[in-house]
Parts: sequence; structure tokens; C-alpha cells
Amino acid sequence: AQSVAQPEDQVNVAEGNPLTVKCTYSVSGNPYLFWYVQYPNRGLQFLLKYITGDNLVKGSYGFEAEFNKSQTSFHLKKPSALVSDSALYFCAVRVPSNYGGSQGNLIFGKGTKLSVKP
Amino acid sequence: DTGVSQDPRHKITKRGQNVTFRCDPISEHNRLYWYRQTLGQGPEFLTYFQNEAQLEKSRLLSDRFSAERPKGSFSTLEIQRTEQGDSAMYLCASSLQTGYFEQYFGPGTRLTVT
Repeated sequence: AQSVAQPEDQVNVAEGNPLTVKCTYSVSGNPYLFWYVQYPNRGLQFLLKYITGDNLVKGSYGFEAEFNKSQTSFHLKKPSALVSDSALYFCAVRVPSNYGGSQGNLIFGKGTKLSVKP
Repeated sequence: DTGVSQDPRHKITKRGQNVTFRCDPISEHNRLYWYRQTLGQGPEFLTYFQNEAQLEKSRLLSDRFSAERPKGSFSTLEIQRTEQGDSAMYLCASSLQTGYFEQYFGPGTRLTVT
């Protein structure tokens, strides 16, 4: 079955330190990969995506993610964490239709809670 | 760009009642999606529309659920004969037509069935 795994329920980081939120996927073909962030009582906000090309993609709020095809991973990174980055982060994948994927839906991981302490 | 809006934001209903939620997508987006999110889980796909056509439905969408997008603009999601297991956050998203465009999410409607 097509799936996305976020192996850490929570990541704790000190402000100013680099952060990494991990994501691995198990899908057929070359998936489209996305990261979203969810703040309390708010909807998901798009951060960045990988479709094709350069393995390092840059997104909103200083976040970036590295696509690694051999490890089937798409880890989210930021060089210097802010307290305001504390939120719930979701990795998502869309499987291209020529590999049996839907034309529409995203498959989400369970989410990782990021806590940045001052 | 006013973003995706959803109404109501919160709904409390008694088991067995019917409820209807509304979603207004970003105006130039012709795709609209519904997801359900329960506590501690990521969103799970329910259904999506391209313009007014409902192109895909998840197995999660039981016969008690129905979604419409009659004019290709706003959409409604109705749940008939609600059950306690329907308690969740219902998220709506919209996107441009092709699959690699990102989906933009609304704030969600939190449903509590008592």
C-alpha cells in the first residue's frame, strides 16, 4: 500500500539550532512530495513541494527539504529554528496516475509536533 | 486572494441528526477536495471535484456522506444520520487543475457528535 511515515511524533529543538523533521515514503514511481504546517485551530499551510529536478527545494519561512530517492526520504530542514516555528508538520505524497495514483488526493503522514524552546 | 473558507467552523450535533458543511475555494481554482482529520492523525482523503464533476470518492465516504459542487464554485458536504465516529475535523482544499499544483486548505469544520 502507498504510505507516508513520519517516524517522530515530536521533535524538540532549542531556538537558533538547526532542525530536521523526517519523512519517508513507500509509493510506486516518482511521487510528488509536499510539506504542510498546521498551527492550533488553523488549517494546513503549504510550505514546499518537490516535483522533479533539484533535490533540495526551498519553501516558505526559511524551510527547505531534501529529496533522496535511494532512501525514499523527504526530510524538512531549517538552519536556525524560531520559537514561532513550533507547530504540527505534515509530509504528504501524491502518486502520479500512471503508477496507479489518484488524480486528486494526497496521502498524509501522521504528523510531527515541533517544539522550539527559547 | 481570500483563501479557502469553510462554514461553520464548529458544529455540535446529536447522533442521528443530519449536518451540512460548506466550502468556498480560491476563486480561480477548479479543483476542490474534502478531507477528514481525527486527533493525532493526518488528513484522510474523502472526495474531490474538478469543476462540478465529482471525480473520485474514497472508501471512507460511506453512503451517509454526500458531496456536491453544483456550479463548480462552492461545495457542500452532508452527513446523514450522524454517528459518534463521525466526530472529526473536516477540511476542504482547492487547487489548480493539474496534480502537481499544491492544495490550499481552509480552516476546517470541527464536528462533534454527542
